[in-house]
Amino acid sequence: GAVVSQHPSRVICKSGTSVKIECRSLDFQATTMFWYRQFPKQSLMLMATSNEGSKATYEQGVEKDKFLINHASLTLSTLTVTSAHPEDSSFYICSASQRQGIIYYGYTFGSGTRLTVV
Amino acid sequence: KQEVTQIPAALSVPEGENLVLNCSFTDSAIYNLQWFRQDPGKGLTSLLLIQSSQREQTSGRLNASLDKSSGRSTLYIAASQPGDSATYLCAHSGGYQKVTFGTGTKLQVIP
Repeated sequence: GAVVSQHPSRVICKSGTSVKIECRSLDFQATTMFWYRQFPKQSLMLMATSNEGSKATYEQGVEKDKFLINHASLTLSTLTVTSAHPEDSSFYICSASQRQGIIYYGYTFGSGTRLTVV
Repeated sequence: KQEVTQIPAALSVPEGENLVLNCSFTDSAIYNLQWFRQDPGKGLTSLLLIQSSQREQTSGRLNASLDKSSGRSTLYIAASQPGDSATYLCAHSGGYQKVTFGTGTKLQVIP
């Protein structure tokens, strides 16, 4: 089946630094990738949607300059948390889907990244 | 605004019981509904995907149904096992790039 690899699984960084999270689709071409954030004991909140080769679409309230998303190829999307602060500490999860027309055929999720900003 | 609600929020059952998790959604426009399981500190694992043209899907001890008219989906787990303990999320796809996750049901199966 479809596999999405997300790295790193855990990262601790100092306040003010930047962190890059990678999301790769290993055995399929992901035309669209999604980035989610999950706070403790809460469901997933969509941050942004990225289509290969174009700019990401951010959800309301998500800072574009803080959460930089790049989707340069059909198998790789990256999320960079810039100038990280302790409040950015969270669990970040990517997912990838294949699109045929306007229909998505399910979503495959990465294993998530636990970011801790100290 | 689309809302996806899962009931109950938490459930504790003894091993061997059959159980039903519920997912309700307000947007009747649906392309598919997907059930996931999430283990603590981990990503999501897809369990079952039901297309809008389907009524149910089965995989092993799991059976998911979809009733578009009432805006509901159920996940049935037969003969529950301790390894089934996890949080179960449903996700409603209402169209192009619109996916809304449910609030989740935390299941604990007691040996």
